[in-house]
Amino acid sequence: SQQGEEDPQALSIQEGENATMNCSYKTSINNLQWYRQNSGRGLVHLILIRSNEREKHSGRLRVTLDTSKKSSSLLITASRAADTASYFCATDFGAGSYQLTFGKGTKLSVIP
Amino acid sequence: DGGITQSPKYLFRKEGQNVTLSCEQNLNHDAMYWYRQDPGQGLRLIYYSQIVNDFQKGDIAEGYSVSREKKESFPLTVTSAQKNPTAFYLCASSISSGYSTEAFFGQGTRLTVV
Repeated sequence: SQQGEEDPQALSIQEGENATMNCSYKTSINNLQWYRQNSGRGLVHLILIRSNEREKHSGRLRVTLDTSKKSSSLLITASRAADTASYFCATDFGAGSYQLTFGKGTKLSVIP
Repeated sequence: DGGITQSPKYLFRKEGQNVTLSCEQNLNHDAMYWYRQDPGQGLRLIYYSQIVNDFQKGDIAEGYSVSREKKESFPLTVTSAQKNPTAFYLCASSISSGYSTEAFFGQGTRLTVV
């Protein structure tokens, strides 16, 4: 079963614009993570936010988490053509349950 | 360099044939995972292992088998019982801890039935 659901499924923006992707999930979580996947490659971890955190930054990335709404957002500021990729959210349920459950992803295209 | 290695990158299987996908990690991680990725479907968990000689079924284990005889290795066998095996297979590993389950992924194996 897939816990997370990203929105939108696809997003196309101009270089320099900001990109916002959303993730909704169904059950209580321990951590929420965002991953990036270039076409035909493995996933790369971007950022992890814990259930007791509300916002986290890493370079041009900003992640928010609203546990009351069971949702998270990933903001990429000042996008570059190299940001073109699929982005996935993943959730886990905490100690003793190490499985990551992934959403279907948002495909981001950044046009130069 | 530390990392997780999958081989081969491309694999072709004939109908009724078993094939084994390799996954090796030198990150000293306890947990290892196998995911299947189909277009538009995201990643679905096939099997996972938290320690050597132990593994559990994920959401779509039917038609697959695994072993975990060494900490570094978690091979996946796609058996003839898997009726639709054409997909992109991803192996991952993570430190088993209560604080972080950041996963490190291999580059994937693309399996095609011919």
